[in-house]
Amino acid sequence: DAGVIQSPRHEVTEMGQEVTLRCKPISGHDYLFWYRQTMMRGLELLIYFNNNVPIDDSGMPEDRFSAKMPNASFSTLKIQPSEPRDSAVYFCASSLLATQYFGPGTRLTVL
Amino acid sequence: GQQLNQSPQSMFIQEGEDVSMNCTSSSIFNTWLWYKQDPGEGPVLLIALYKAGELTSNGRLTAQFGITRKDSFLNISASIPSDVGIYFCAGQRYGDDNYGQNFVFGPGTRLSVLP
Repeated sequence: DAGVIQSPRHEVTEMGQEVTLRCKPISGHDYLFWYRQTMMRGLELLIYFNNNVPIDDSGMPEDRFSAKMPNASFSTLKIQPSEPRDSAVYFCASSLLATQYFGPGTRLTVL
Repeated sequence: GQQLNQSPQSMFIQEGEDVSMNCTSSSIFNTWLWYKQDPGEGPVLLIALYKAGELTSNGRLTAQFGITRKDSFLNISASIPSDVGIYFCAGQRYGDDNYGQNFVFGPGTRLSVLP
């Protein structure tokens, strides 16, 4: 299995621009999670889906953040407009039971 | 919300030494997981524990699920340079519709191995 796939691996953008992060979960997994990791706050759960349905988005910092999962093999996390404080590493993870498997992350830098 | 505490926050050890780190919580969890994160990568699962008192090994790694279900420890024996990284514990609790909020990560223990 290829594991969780995320793209891009690195993204540098200017403040105010739209950013879209992509994730392909492990085939057969029915949960998908989006996390943000910073030095100050560690790993933060932003949103998670079960069977493509968003279950809890209480971790999404602001309305500028949105996430979709149109099918079982693809999810996006969008930031519009982006701000410098959004700079972080964003991880996608998927699971079937309790064990989450993480992707390599997208390092986002907003100038 | 629920929080996990990990100690130590960081540690420097000599190659060949054994390492011990732990994770504690004020809440009970049904599953404890230990992850390792290398620089520039996502966390990778090391060991999963599903039962109170369970002791599980994975090569040089040994982890235990505390009897109280509020703690877990991870031991690394005979450390090597590639053990360098951040070790995260995570706890998960069943029986709640809100699956995500019952999966909590600790802040991590940063391990450095000196040659």
